[in-house]
Amino acid sequence: EVQVVESGGGLVQPGGSLRLSCAASGFTFSTYAMSWIRQAPGKGLEWVSGISGSGGRTYYADSVKGRFTISRDNSRNTLYLQMNSLRVEDTAVYYCAKAGSGSYYGDYWGQGTLVTVSS
Amino acid sequence: EIVLTQSPDFQSVTPKEKVTITCRASQSIGSSLHWYQQKPDQSPKLLIKYASQSISGVPSRFSGSGSGTDFTLTINSLEAEDAAAYYCHQSSSLPLTFGGGTKVEIK
Repeated sequence: EVQVVESGGGLVQPGGSLRLSCAASGFTFSTYAMSWIRQAPGKGLEWVSGISGSGGRTYYADSVKGRFTISRDNSRNTLYLQMNSLRVEDTAVYYCAKAGSGSYYGDYWGQGTLVTVSS
Repeated sequence: EIVLTQSPDFQSVTPKEKVTITCRASQSIGSSLHWYQQKPDQSPKLLIKYASQSISGVPSRFSGSGSGTDFTLTINSLEAEDAAAYYCHQSSSLPLTFGGGTKVEIK
């Protein structure tokens, strides 16, 4: 059974940093791209970042480019999102998703981890 | 960036009624359009991939159609458990984008 489980969310002050993790199981992790998607409270979905199976290619939404870094450790079946220079508007539930074959859309999503940026 | 426009934003429907949600892309995306269902306090669940391909375990009353810029999600004979928000999502070009969502309420 495919599972992805996020962790690392919490309360952080504006300008601060946080690293999210996503532990994957039930599939050959290195074979699939992965994505992070977020959802601000009461709002819709926003794709944040994606990374290829090898980790060699990374992509970002303009809203986080230069502040967030996606990475993966295929030996640990784990995806990461390093978030720096956090802003109030980054407050959201962050979802990790396994991508469909040959693409970056999410076919299996985790339950999400809440990031709150507030002073 | 490709903009996806969903309509309607909200729909109140009686059980067994047919529901149609549309998604229009700002430029052609072929069939790279996917549909998700999100129930309250849950993560999104993939319903339809590549415009019309069914997903294992998803009830057959959910179907998708369209290509290019115009897409439709149809729920035949709505059930109470289908109360949720529905989102379209394109993977044709980066950055990936989502539609604004359609909330379906059961009367």
